[in-house]
Amino acid sequence: NAGVTQTPKFQVLKTGQSMTLQCAQDMNHNSMYWYRQDPGMGLRLIYYSASEGTTDKGEVPNGYNVSRLNKREFSLRLESAAPSQTSVYFCASRVTWSYSYGYTFGSGTRLTVV
Amino acid sequence: LAKTTQPISMDSYEGQEVNITCSHNNIATNDYITWYQQFPSQGPRFIIQGYKTKVTNEVASLFIPADRKSSTLSLPRVSLSDTAVYYCLVGDGPLDSGTYKYIFGTGTRLKVLA
Repeated sequence: NAGVTQTPKFQVLKTGQSMTLQCAQDMNHNSMYWYRQDPGMGLRLIYYSASEGTTDKGEVPNGYNVSRLNKREFSLRLESAAPSQTSVYFCASRVTWSYSYGYTFGSGTRLTVV
Repeated sequence: LAKTTQPISMDSYEGQEVNITCSHNNIATNDYITWYQQFPSQGPRFIIQGYKTKVTNEVASLFIPADRKSSTLSLPRVSLSDTAVYYCLVGDGPLDSGTYKYIFGTGTRLKVLA
């Protein structure tokens, strides 16, 4: 099925551990995004990638790094996880050439840092 | 940077029409207004998008006045399954570039009662 695929779906980390969240889309979209959503809150933009080879910071980039591996894949890395990074992480993508199209979201990764 | 303002929550009964209004006073001249729906433990899902006047699809209608400083999402005859959070979004950044991105607010939590 076409769409945005995120792995893993669930993860528990200990404080200080590192991990990479994977995201892949098969819709030939140029732009990709990483958001986090804390309980009862809206989504906050962490990083985004306008096109392959470019990345930019969003609202809450501290503690994260990203890699746009190719047009399909956009990964989010936590180098040293902290309890404050406990959240649900959503990846999204969209076409770039038209602003009249919205995002397609993945199903999310639920991360708990203990 | 707050881009949109909408009510925090609303209650409705099954079979009623629900209208959720969103304020976006600083919308860019050629930006679109997009609404998303989010169920618990899922990524947001595109509902409807419009530029001006009225847009209708199989799920909802979107009413946008001439000054485009607000919009109203209308859900006809809601059911229990419409219980979700609804986000009104306008974009941030150059409209037809990859740096165009959504800044989410807290959304409107709609609860449909039997």
